[in-house]
Amino acid sequence: NAGVTQTPKFQVLKTGQSMTLQCAQDMNHNSMYWYRQDPGMGLRLIYYSASEGTTDKGEVPNGYNVSRLNKREFSLRLESAAPSQTSVYFCASSGKGPRGSGNTIYFGEGSWLTVV
Amino acid sequence: DAKTTQPNSMESNEEEPVHLPCNHSTISGTDYIHWYRQLPSQGPEYVIHGLTSNVNNRMASLAIAEDRKSSTLILHRATLRDAAVYYCILRDPTYVGSARQLTFGSGTQLTVLP
Repeated sequence: NAGVTQTPKFQVLKTGQSMTLQCAQDMNHNSMYWYRQDPGMGLRLIYYSASEGTTDKGEVPNGYNVSRLNKREFSLRLESAAPSQTSVYFCASSGKGPRGSGNTIYFGEGSWLTVV
Repeated sequence: DAKTTQPNSMESNEEEPVHLPCNHSTISGTDYIHWYRQLPSQGPEYVIHGLTSNVNNRMASLAIAEDRKSSTLILHRATLRDAAVYYCILRDPTYVGSARQLTFGSGTQLTVLP
């Protein structure tokens, strides 16, 4: 059971370059999320998708775009990377579990992105 | 918005119990209390959750105050592998995908001393 898989794990970009972070989950979850985590700080929500075909902005959406390709996949795109986007990015998903599960969130292992 | 407040850091000796507190005075009746932890260089992982009653699982116990305005995550015997950042968040299953429900604060950095 892979859970939430995100790629690449590490990436170095030059300022102005573009790239896409890929995320897939195999738990048949409706909701998927992208977070960023800067050194010594908590997680901040970039975008989320409550269900296939819908996406919404989170706390820090500027400079990013997302695509909910299908129920399994949710990608995050940096159109023109900036040094301020140097961070660790986490994809996550959640869905209906057993009664009383409270909608647990499952996270990927993270993608370390450096913009120089 | 329902928010949580946790101490920035705590220390514990190995093999001793640890009580990690969380305040959530504006919790709503449908909010579940979730705890996650993040080991170094890893994504957060689920630890435990509860609504009203105290909960136990193989990882930890969750004690919820009678008025639900605070809760405590209990690690019965801390090990070095328990050193992590512990996050307390509120989740309302009826607001699936709501950004309001997905905010992680800075959490509590738990240091376990050998």
